[in-house]
Amino acid sequence: EDQVTQSPEALRLQEGESSSLNCSYTVSGLRGLFWYRQDPGKGPEFLFTLYSAGEEKEKERLKATLTKKESFLHITAPKPEDSATYLCAVVTGGGADGLTFGKGTHLIIQP
Amino acid sequence: SAVISQKPSRDICQRGTSLTIQCQVDSQVTMMFWYRQQPGQSLTLIATANQGSEATYESGFVIDKFPISRPNLTFSTLTVSNMSPEDSSIYLCSVERQGVSEAFFGQGTRLTVV
Repeated sequence: EDQVTQSPEALRLQEGESSSLNCSYTVSGLRGLFWYRQDPGKGPEFLFTLYSAGEEKEKERLKATLTKKESFLHITAPKPEDSATYLCAVVTGGGADGLTFGKGTHLIIQP
Repeated sequence: SAVISQKPSRDICQRGTSLTIQCQVDSQVTMMFWYRQQPGQSLTLIATANQGSEATYESGFVIDKFPISRPNLTFSTLTVSNMSPEDSSIYLCSVERQGVSEAFFGQGTRLTVV
């Protein structure tokens, strides 16, 4: 059974304090790993898809990286508006295309 | 990206009743997906809906409880039947583009069963 584990569950940072969120996965045949941002009361907002080990993608203050066992979402010099829950999900080679999600990291950036 | 509209955005329902949630996409897509997000939890896939065929349900979800329609390539409905308080969740519609390279979500339907 595919498993996605995110850590930490919650993270509180000061504005400008860089850090990383972790997503480790145990799957059979990774086809893609997704990162989303979710604000309270809203649906997940697509950020990145990564496909193979060594791949990196960036968007503003966010950078996602992928290894064979885990992915990191690095946030550089965060601002209060980066506060949200960040979700990691995978799609595997089992045939179905639906996503398997981790439980998320609740990130709070204090001014 | 894809623009996905869900209706209703929220509802409060009596136990034993049913609610149908609508999902409209701004362009044609092959597969649409329905997820559930229980309070404080992450998203769980309920079923995959292809146009012109029966929906495929994940383990723990059955058609009698969550019947799905997919009449065309831009629209789908999910019905939550014979509701109980345990069905109180956010229900989300999703589509994928360019194979599985991008997956987008609607804003969700927040359901409270009393």
